[in-house]
Amino acid sequence: QQQVKQSPQSLIVQKGGISIINCAYENTAFDYFPWYQQFPGKGPALLIAIRPDVSEKKEGRFTISFNKSAKQFSLHIMDSQPGDSATYFCAASRSNFGNEKLTFGTGTRLTIIP
Amino acid sequence: DAMVIQNPRYQVTQFGKPVTLSCSQTLNHNVMYWYQQKSSQAPKLLFHYYDKDFNNEADTPDNFQSRRPNTSFCFLDIRSPGLGDAAMYLCATSRGDRGPDEQYFGPGTRLTVT
Repeated sequence: QQQVKQSPQSLIVQKGGISIINCAYENTAFDYFPWYQQFPGKGPALLIAIRPDVSEKKEGRFTISFNKSAKQFSLHIMDSQPGDSATYFCAASRSNFGNEKLTFGTGTRLTIIP
Repeated sequence: DAMVIQNPRYQVTQFGKPVTLSCSQTLNHNVMYWYQQKSSQAPKLLFHYYDKDFNNEADTPDNFQSRRPNTSFCFLDIRSPGLGDAAMYLCATSRGDRGPDEQYFGPGTRLTVT
């Protein structure tokens, strides 16, 4: 029940295209859904996050869509650029009085080709 | 203006020789986490501190220990490294006082066991 399932495992998108990565969760107690971006040899960095009181959040070219009833959320990268090539992890967490822990998805390696 | 600092960035140790990895933070965050990340995998939480309270994950081997002498510093001790412990070790912090929130990751320490 703690799992977060992420797909696809790898994704190749042409420059200027839309990259879409999907995640699904089981634990209805999760109330925070971040996406992390990780470049090779670096630590993950928060890209964008959403809480279940909204169905969509947009920050620049990055959008999270959230479907509470389906227990799914997805990351959309518009106008994908070569600099977006990285590994993306979705995650989920629940409020726990300061002991919040992230449950990560398995990651998606995104490659943007010219 | 580095916020989560890990030293060293690269560590080579011999099989069975104890090793200590260091993490420091300038964010004054309550929570500090240690993750293990193997190639092409998601970060795996080993343990975390909420202030001085230590929280071990159930599947973290006894070989892994941690110390947090003050708010700013946290150490990961591997008592007898095996070949399977070769990985990137990531330190992260979060505020811990307002529910699930961004975790700030350090750049990681790449551990090689020979």
